Order: sequence, then structure tokens, then C-alpha cells
Amino acid sequence: DAGVIQSPRHEVTEMGQEVTLRCKPISGHDYLFWYRQTMMRGLELLIYFNNNVPIDDSGMPEDRFSAKMPNASFSTLKIQPSEPRDSAVYFCASRPRGLWGQPQHFGDGTRLSIL
Amino acid sequence: QQQVKQSPQSLIVQKGGISIINCAYENTAFDYFPWYQQFPGKGPALLIAIRPDVSEKKEGRFTISFNKSAKQFSLHIMDSQPGDSATYFCAAALAGTASKLTFGTGTRLQVTL
Repeated sequence: DAGVIQSPRHEVTEMGQEVTLRCKPISGHDYLFWYRQTMMRGLELLIYFNNNVPIDDSGMPEDRFSAKMPNASFSTLKIQPSEPRDSAVYFCASRPRGLWGQPQHFGDGTRLSIL
Repeated sequence: QQQVKQSPQSLIVQKGGISIINCAYENTAFDYFPWYQQFPGKGPALLIAIRPDVSEKKEGRFTISFNKSAKQFSLHIMDSQPGDSATYFCAAALAGTASKLTFGTGTRLQVTL
């Protein structure tokens, strides 16, 4: 059973460029989450979707960040324009329906470096 | 506002010893308390979880102890092994929020031979 798949695994780009991170959740999972991990701020939830609909985007740092989920098997996180402070590891996670106890399954992340 | 405080930041334990990581939370509405384990280059993976009406949960060598009145919970790793060397995160979630997790800052555990 394939897990959450993220691409690319590594991305290095220059400041001001547009960056698009991609995620394929586990088939059948209703929820999809985007996180950012840095040494300074730890793991932060950016946004999550339920059945492809954004539910809570209160963690999105600013308007330069946007996320979409056009269908149940694909989501993107876009940064435009990118800045050096956006450098981090970005994780996507998915989870099946149900309230208590359903674990989030994380992908292996995209390590983003903005020069 | 940090709602889940985790300590210590790092921990070195000898093989066979007990590793203990502590977390404290502020929001009494939290009702789901998982621990995640993360290896370098990988995403976090659920290790064990507990709900607040239970004081202890054990799965193999891993035990969560929960103190609702003190708003604290801890992870105990018995008979620690070098393969347990990883970063451990506690987390908490509110009821009905689809497990919208608030994570602690992480503890880097090293188990030495």
C-alpha cells in the first residue's frame, strides 16, 4: 500500500521564483494536511482539506502561500514569490475519516531551499 | 502562543535504559494526545496515542502516562535500543477538529551502546 507521495524531494531555487510542491495522499483518505518544519518553529500546520475543500488555512503565513486540492488524489502548495525565510521542510499528510484516533500519515517531505 | 510544551530538547540514554520525555498542555479541551517518531529524512509517524479518560497506555516498550489534573503527559521507552534514536514529538488535538494537531517542539533521543 503506497504511502503519501510528495514531489520533489528537494528543491533549490532563487528568491522571487515560484515554487510548487506536490502531494498525492493515500487513496481513500478524506483529509489532507500541509505542514512546515523548521528548527526555529518546529512543525506548523499550514492548511488542511476535507474532501478537497479547504477547512482551516489559519496557519498559512501570508498571501504568498496558496494551496489547492483539485481532486481527491492531488494537492499543491505554491509559494509566489519565494523568499529565503521560506526555506524549510514541507510535509503533506493524509488521514481517513473519523474523529478520535485516526492517525495522520506523513509523506517524506520536500526540502526547500530559497537562495 | 505555544500550547504544548515539550522537554527535554535532547536526551542521551544508554542501551537498555529508560527514556522519558515530558509534555505539558494548556487547553483543557484537548482530547487526543499522540506521540510521533521521526527519523532523519523521513516524515513523522504515529507511535502511540491516548485519550484523557485513560491514565496509561502501553504498546510494547512504549508507554504513555497521562495526568489530567496536572495537564501533563509523558512517553516512556523501556529497554531503549539504538534503533529508537530519533526525534519524538508530542501533540494534542481538540475534539471534533479532525485531529488538527498542535505539536510540541520535539526531543532528539540518542541511544548509545
